[in-house]
Amino acid sequence: EAQVTQNPRYLITVTGKKLTVTCSQNMNHEYMSWYRQDPGLGLRQIYYSMNVEVTDKGDVPEGYKVSRKEKRNFPLILESPSPNQTSLYFCASSPLGTGSYEQYFGPGTRLTVT
Amino acid sequence: GNSVTQMEGPVTLSEEAFLTINCTYTATGYPSLFWYVQYPGEGLQLLLKATKADDKGSNKGFEATYRKETTSFHLEKGSVQVSDSAVYFCALSPISGYALNFGKGTSLLVTP
Repeated sequence: EAQVTQNPRYLITVTGKKLTVTCSQNMNHEYMSWYRQDPGLGLRQIYYSMNVEVTDKGDVPEGYKVSRKEKRNFPLILESPSPNQTSLYFCASSPLGTGSYEQYFGPGTRLTVT
Repeated sequence: GNSVTQMEGPVTLSEEAFLTINCTYTATGYPSLFWYVQYPGEGLQLLLKATKADDKGSNKGFEATYRKETTSFHLEKGSVQVSDSAVYFCALSPISGYALNFGKGTSLLVTP
């Protein structure tokens, strides 16, 4: 089944404790992206990647890092989480070159930073 | 810059009522337009899309027409069901790239 998976689905952590949220897709998509969803703000892009070893900042990159060492994986790293990073996070992927720009989303990771 | 504005929710309708969720956008050129749906506890799913002016996207009884002259992409359904209760997001993808600009979402509750 074609899908985007994220782990963990739920995470409660404390301020300053480094964490990684994994994202993996099995559709051989070149483009991958991370969004955060906050009430009243909709979804905002954090980082994106056009292919292996190619990443770039989205609208709200502060406090986050990403890497793209393999085509299928795009982990989101919070090196020193803070309470304002409490949010619902979504990973998405899309094939390049099809002209449709449709993105496929993972199920989400709900992060709470205390 | 690019932006999407959609009507505030929540919207509460009775089953079989007609649904309209308004969406307008600001962008240069001809972006692709999308409606995504988020059911409770789940990720976003593509509901429908349109890639050029006057295109009509449709799926599961939902429709939206890409109106360049009014920069709009309103979502409609003739007869909603309880199972349509969800949050609906209008989004655009600019011609220059793949980043999606989302509206803030409209929560729909359909009651029996």
